[in-house]
Amino acid sequence: AQRVTQPEKLLSVFKGAPVELKCNYSYSGSPELFWYVQYSRQRLQLLLRHISRESIKGFTADLNKGETSFHLKKPFAQEEDSAMYYCALRGEYGNKLVFGAGTILRVKS
Amino acid sequence: EPEVTQTPSHQVTQMGQEVILRCVPISNHLYFYWYRQILGQKVEFLVSFYNNEISEKSEIFDDQFSVERPDGSNFTLKIRSTKLEDSAMYFCASTDPRRTSVAFFGQGTRLTVV
Repeated sequence: AQRVTQPEKLLSVFKGAPVELKCNYSYSGSPELFWYVQYSRQRLQLLLRHISRESIKGFTADLNKGETSFHLKKPFAQEEDSAMYYCALRGEYGNKLVFGAGTILRVKS
Repeated sequence: EPEVTQTPSHQVTQMGQEVILRCVPISNHLYFYWYRQILGQKVEFLVSFYNNEISEKSEIFDDQFSVERPDGSNFTLKIRSTKLEDSAMYFCASTDPRRTSVAFFGQGTRLTVV
């Protein structure tokens, strides 16, 4: 079964502090992992995906197959990073996304 | 930048009534999806649609649900006889055939069944 776990409902940090949003997955094959972000009153939008291996808005995420994790990191949080972050998985067959429960990131000044 | 658009943004309906949620996917996309999010819960996959037919559906997508692409631009989700537990945010998404894994989402329709 495909499953994505985001253990933290809320992560609150001060501006300039490092951020790590945790994501673990369960999938027997070779998944594709994504981070989607939803800013206040906006739509879900792609932040990054593991196969691109890129940094978007200072965020990075590395797929660790041994630990089945895809944690999202940023060295210095900014207030505009405050949003809901969803980790999602796409299996090898089909195109559907399986989402985690989401983590609210609050960056305080 | 092209966007997926959904109408209405909020729909209130009485239990037992039929509702149609509408979506206009991005014009050159070929895969279309509906997801839903019950308040406080995960975003859940309902159905995917490709080449004018359902390509995958979840257990949630029972006989009360149907999807249609009535013309070249719209993609609709119909709930035949709404139940209280159908109250949720419904998201439409579409993907580019060259990048099938990257889903672009609409802003959602909040369905409230009373």
